[in-house]
Amino acid sequence: QSVLTQPPSVSAAPGQKVTISCSGTSSNIGNNFVSWYQQLPGTAPKLLIYDNSKRPSGIPDRFSGSKSGTSATLGVTGLQTGDEADYYCGTWDNSLSAVVFGGGTKLTVL
Amino acid sequence: QLQLVESGGGVVQPGRSLRLSCAASGFIFSNYVMHWVRQAPGKGLEWVALISYDGSNKYYADSLQGRFTISRDNSKTTVHLQMNSLRVEDTALYFCAREAKVGTTGDGFDIWGQGTRVTVS
Repeated sequence: QSVLTQPPSVSAAPGQKVTISCSGTSSNIGNNFVSWYQQLPGTAPKLLIYDNSKRPSGIPDRFSGSKSGTSATLGVTGLQTGDEADYYCGTWDNSLSAVVFGGGTKLTVL
Repeated sequence: QLQLVESGGGVVQPGRSLRLSCAASGFIFSNYVMHWVRQAPGKGLEWVALISYDGSNKYYADSLQGRFTISRDNSKTTVHLQMNSLRVEDTALYFCAREAKVGTTGDGFDIWGQGTRVTVS
């Protein structure tokens, strides 16, 4: 059971938009920055979003992040087949004094 | 080129020990918090431990129950994970990762290694 809650799977057609939610509490998301990662099959995770909504250099603006209260959302527009991957949210938890991740969401581009 | 390269994984019997290493290059290693993250076969990411830029502060996942120790050698730009009393459930791909921003903890990991596989059986 992960500290952060994500839907197990989401799907959408190529070119469409999808959002992935990440729910937490005041001890984690509510008072800390959220980051998002993309993990393609057989590869290491890749940072997509940090500080809730910032994109590292090289990440296309099709990927966006937002946070409201104790929840965060990753948005992906203009879906491509190459976006099929597992997506994870993460943050610091003040009560646990630990980094916590969501259980991951598998994105399928139909 | 920013890079992290893990090593030290392998097959080990339950109860034995293993020491993982992560060699960093291409950045000022001594400025950054470093982490270990693991991923069991077919499962999600699980954070394992972090060490502050100077090694003075360390944090661990509760699930480890004191069996793992993280350390770093800034002169050799390397971070280690000493794993003792290994259990079958420690079987995973172990990644080291760099904290994205200097002076922060848990705000994002921007550089990841390719991982080293540990099998406890």
